[in-house]
Amino acid sequence: GAVVSQHPSRVICKSGTSVKIECRSLDFQATTMFWYRQFPKQSLMLMATSNEGSKATYEQGVEKDKFLINHASLTLSTLTVTSAHPEDSSFYICSAEWDIRGYTFGSGTRLTVV
Amino acid sequence: GQQLNQSPQSMFIQEGEDVSMNCTSSSIFNTWLWYKQDPGEGPVLLIALYKAGELTSNGRLTAQFGITRKDSFLNISASIPSDVGIYFCAGRLTGTASKLTFGTGTRLQVTL
Repeated sequence: GAVVSQHPSRVICKSGTSVKIECRSLDFQATTMFWYRQFPKQSLMLMATSNEGSKATYEQGVEKDKFLINHASLTLSTLTVTSAHPEDSSFYICSAEWDIRGYTFGSGTRLTVV
Repeated sequence: GQQLNQSPQSMFIQEGEDVSMNCTSSSIFNTWLWYKQDPGEGPVLLIALYKAGELTSNGRLTAQFGITRKDSFLNISASIPSDVGIYFCAGRLTGTASKLTFGTGTRLQVTL
């Protein structure tokens, strides 16, 4: 149980276009999901907390107009990288809390902007 | 954002050896978690700790929640090649849906 599915696993897009990443909790409901970004050989950095039915909470320094988050249902949160640029290339990972024992993470999305 | 200090940053060990890594914070946490991340994948939970002083095992893995609530360590006994990966500690404050603060990571490589 407690599976989080993230799609796509890899995406290459042209500079200036937008990319949507989906995060689904498959066997549990998640009122809150989290989006992280991870650069090569670095740790996970929290970008934003996604709340079902309300606005996301962004960490300091993360542009909310660039990284649009929508959490329209208890099992789906989406992250849209708008007007992507090469510096947005990174590994994006979502997670959801499934019980007190901690969080389950998706398998990540490798975004490459060319 | 804040990160927890994790050491060592990387280690090369021989198969069969024991491994120890630790994580320290300037602030206290109510929960400590240890994750392993394989290349191109998301982190997978190894051990969760909920009380100061708690010592918990999961197979060859043992982790402890520091008494000050500002640190934790993870031990791996009799390492095997599939232990290769990056290990992250993470701290969480009380309450559900509290965000995690991750450590800087320890990269483990095991040689035969």
